[in-house]
Amino acid sequence: NAGVMQNPRHLVRRRGQEARLRCSPMKGHSHVYWYRQLPEEGLKFMVYLQKENIIDESGMPKERFSAEFPKEGPSILRIQQVVRGDSAAYFCASSPGTSGSGEQFFGPGTRLTVL
Amino acid sequence: AQSVTQLGSHVSVSEGALVLLRCNYSSSVPPYLFWYVQYPNQGLQLLLKYTSAATLVKGINGFEAEFKKSETSFHLTKPSAHMSDAAEYFCAVSRNFGNEKLTFGTGTRLTIIP
Repeated sequence: NAGVMQNPRHLVRRRGQEARLRCSPMKGHSHVYWYRQLPEEGLKFMVYLQKENIIDESGMPKERFSAEFPKEGPSILRIQQVVRGDSAAYFCASSPGTSGSGEQFFGPGTRLTVL
Repeated sequence: AQSVTQLGSHVSVSEGALVLLRCNYSSSVPPYLFWYVQYPNQGLQLLLKYTSAATLVKGINGFEAEFKKSETSFHLTKPSAHMSDAAEYFCAVSRNFGNEKLTFGTGTRLTIIP
C-alpha cells in the first residue's frame, strides 16, 4: 500500500510565478490536510479538505493561496504570484475519515524555493 | 484554542543515556496528543499517540510518553538513546482523534553523542 505521495519534491519558482503542489492520499483515505513548515519552525496547519469540500481553511493566507481536492485526482495546493516568504516545506497528510481513525499519515513534502 | 510548548529546541544526549523531550499543552477540552519524528528531508512519522485510554503510552522504536493532566504535560522518553534516534521531534495536539487539524510545537532537535 503506497503511502502519501507528493510531487514535485522540490520546486523552484521566481517571484510572481505560480506554484502548484500535488498530493495523492493513501489508498482509501478521503481526508487531506496541508501544513507548512517554515525554516526552523514547526508545522502550521493550512487547510483540511474532503473530496470536493473544504472543511477548515482557518490556516490559509487570505490571498494568493487556494486548495482543492477534486472527486478524481490529487489534492492541489496553489500559490499565485509567489513571494520569497512563501519559501518553505509544504506537507500533505491524509486520514481515512472514519470516526476514531484519526492518525494522519504524512507525505515526504514539497520544498518550495522562491528566487 | 489549543497550543503546545516544547522546552528546548536542541537536546544532546550520549549514546545509551536517557532521552527526555518535554511537551506541555494547553487545551480547553480533553486533548488528544501525539509525538512525531522527522528525519532530514523526510515527512513526519507517528511515534505514539494519547487518545484518553492509558496515560502511559508506548510507541515505536522504544519510545514512550506519559500523559499528566495535573501538569498538562506529555513528555517523551526513551531509556537508552541510539545513534539512529537523531532527528527532529514534534509534539502535537488536537481536539478529536480524527477529522481535526493538528497543532504542532516548534520541535526539538535531538543529537546523539557517540
